[in-house]
Amino acid sequence: EAGVTQFPSHSVIEKGQTVTLRCDPISGHDNLYWYRRVMGKEIKFLLHFVKESKQDESGMPNNRFLAERTGGTYSTLKVQPAELEDSGVYFCASSQRLAGANTGELFFGEGSRLTVL
Amino acid sequence: GDSVTQMEGPVTLSEEAFLTINCTYTATGYPSLFWYVQYPGEGLQLLLKATKADDKGSNKGFEATYRKETTSFHLEKGSVQVSDSAVYFCALSDSGYSTLTFGKGTMLLVSP
Repeated sequence: EAGVTQFPSHSVIEKGQTVTLRCDPISGHDNLYWYRRVMGKEIKFLLHFVKESKQDESGMPNNRFLAERTGGTYSTLKVQPAELEDSGVYFCASSQRLAGANTGELFFGEGSRLTVL
Repeated sequence: GDSVTQMEGPVTLSEEAFLTINCTYTATGYPSLFWYVQYPGEGLQLLLKATKADDKGSNKGFEATYRKETTSFHLEKGSVQVSDSAVYFCALSDSGYSTLTFGKGTMLLVSP
């Protein structure tokens, strides 16, 4: 069974440019999460999809970030325009839907490293 | 809000040494607690978890006990191996949809 895959693994762009990160969750996982780790800081929650709907986007830093999950399969996270402080590793994770349960087991991808110069 | 504090790294040990990585938390509710591990070149993966006070999570020789009175969930292993070299993240979940709050991570380096 394929795990969570993310693309690209590393992206280097200049300030003001646009970058789109992609995440393919494990097949059949309704829950999809985006997290971000800025150098030396904690891994921070960005948002959570249940199928194609945004369940919680309270962690999105500002309106330069746009996440989509059309059709409830893969997801994209677009940063436009990118700023220096957006540099970090963006992790995607997925889990099966267990309504009302709190298993906490998320399956993570390797992350997409974003460097904004 | 919720937060997780774990010891700064890197932690450097010789093979077969005893490992402790401290983790304390603050939470508004009654959270579940987790340790995730990230091996080089891989994504994070769940190492162990505990969902209520005094529960002990264990896996691959690692253990952690949910201590509500001290709000702690310290990770221990009696004898580390070179293959345990990785970054370890303590985390909690205070919601029903498994949103996690992470600590900063602790890098463990084990030498032969």
